[in-house]
Amino acid sequence: KQEVTQIPAALSVPEGENLVLNCSFTDSAIYNLQWFRQDPGKGLTSLLLIQSSQREQTSGRLNASLDKSSGRSTLYIAASQPGDSATYLCAGFNNAGNMLTFGGGTRLMVKP
Amino acid sequence: GAGVSQSPSNKVTEKGKDVELRCDPISGHTALYWYRQSLGQGLEFLIYFQGNSAPDKSGLPSDRFSAERTGGSVSTLTIQRTQQEDSAVYLCASSLLAGGLNEQFFGPGTRLTVL
Repeated sequence: KQEVTQIPAALSVPEGENLVLNCSFTDSAIYNLQWFRQDPGKGLTSLLLIQSSQREQTSGRLNASLDKSSGRSTLYIAASQPGDSATYLCAGFNNAGNMLTFGGGTRLMVKP
Repeated sequence: GAGVSQSPSNKVTEKGKDVELRCDPISGHTALYWYRQSLGQGLEFLIYFQGNSAPDKSGLPSDRFSAERTGGSVSTLTIQRTQQEDSAVYLCASSLLAGGLNEQFFGPGTRLTVL
C-alpha cells in the first residue's frame, strides 16, 4: 500500500526566500506525482504533474522534481511571496490503483 | 462551467439523517473521483467512476456510503444514517481520461457537519 509523507508539516519563512518542500513515497511503482495547493476553506488547485518518465516540471516560480529510485519528490518555490501562503499537498498515482494517495501536506506561511 | 462544481458548499445535518452531495465534472471528462478530507485523516479516496465501467468502490468506509453517476456526467454521493465521524469535506475530482497520465482537477468541496 502506498504511503506518502510530507516534511515539514509547517513552514514559516520571510518573503523573498527560496524554499523546498519535501514529499516521500514508499512504493516506487508510481505512475505520476501531482502537487496541489489548498487555500483555507477551498478545494485543491493543481500546480504541477510529473509523469513517471519525467524528472522535473516547471511552472513560473515553481519547479517540481521526481526521483522514483529514492521515492522522493520536491517542490521548489523561488522568491516566495505572501500570496504563496497555503497548504501544499503532494499525491502519487499508482499503477495498480485508480486514485491519488495524498501526503499530509505542508502548511506554508510567507511573512511580508 | 469551466471547472468542477459541487453542491451544496456546506451541509449541516442531524445524526441519523441521509444526505446527498452533488458533483458536476468538467465537460468531456470521463473519469470522476470522490475523496474525503477530515481532521486527522488527511485526504482519502472514496470511489472512482470511469465511463460505463463498474465503479471502484474500494475506498468507501461503510455500506452507508454509496455513489452513482448518471449519464456519464453528474455524480451523487449519498450517506445514509449519518454519524458524527462522517463530518468532513467531501471533494470531487475529474480527469479527461482514466489512469496516471491524466491530471485530476478538483472542485471546491462540500463541508458536511453532522451534529
